[in-house]
Amino acid sequence: AQSVAQPEDQVNVAEGNPLTVKCTYSVSGNPYLFWYVQYPNRGLQFLLKYITGDNLVKGSYGFEAEFNKSQTSFHLKKPSALVSDSALYFCAVRDLYNAGNMLTFGGGTRLMVKP
Amino acid sequence: GAVVSQHPSRVICKSGTSVKIECRSLDFQATTMFWYRQFPKQSLMLMATSNEGSKATYEQGVEKDKFLINHASLTLSTLTVTSAHPEDSSFYICSAAGALNTEAFFGQGTRLTVV
Repeated sequence: AQSVAQPEDQVNVAEGNPLTVKCTYSVSGNPYLFWYVQYPNRGLQFLLKYITGDNLVKGSYGFEAEFNKSQTSFHLKKPSALVSDSALYFCAVRDLYNAGNMLTFGGGTRLMVKP
Repeated sequence: GAVVSQHPSRVICKSGTSVKIECRSLDFQATTMFWYRQFPKQSLMLMATSNEGSKATYEQGVEKDKFLINHASLTLSTLTVTSAHPEDSSFYICSAAGALNTEAFFGQGTRLTVV
């Protein structure tokens, strides 16, 4: 079975400061890892993904994430937060060979960026 | 990225009536579509997975006669909430994945309110 944990329900950061949203995962095979962002009453928007290759993945809106196999983590980062980054962030994992197309989501982390 | 269109974005219906939600992949063929339900301030709960031309696979605890899913073509899946009750009020989100996609793309979501 595959699972994702986002240990923080909410992350607060001041505008201009770096931000980190944590994610750890568990799969039996090779993971495909994703970050999505959700604004109020909207669907999920894709931010970035790790499939293979470089452990540091760059995505939309200046976000990046680092795949760490030994720690089974895929933390989302941004060097300088914007107030408009305030939203709900979901980490997801897909184990292609054992779970097909099915994505498993973490519980979500609410990011609050204050001016 | 690929576009998934979900309609309607909001619907209010009376108890006992049925509501149909459509999910369309606009620029790719969706071999697999997923339907999720999201409660306030919570993560996405997978309801069912559907592959084009075959019956949907429902997650444990989801009533297949209550939530009818049809995936008749590679670009369209529908979710019909039958005999809706107030406890069915929720945010429903679809996503679609094609054979060549490593990530799933999400619709805008549908806010269902049953009165």
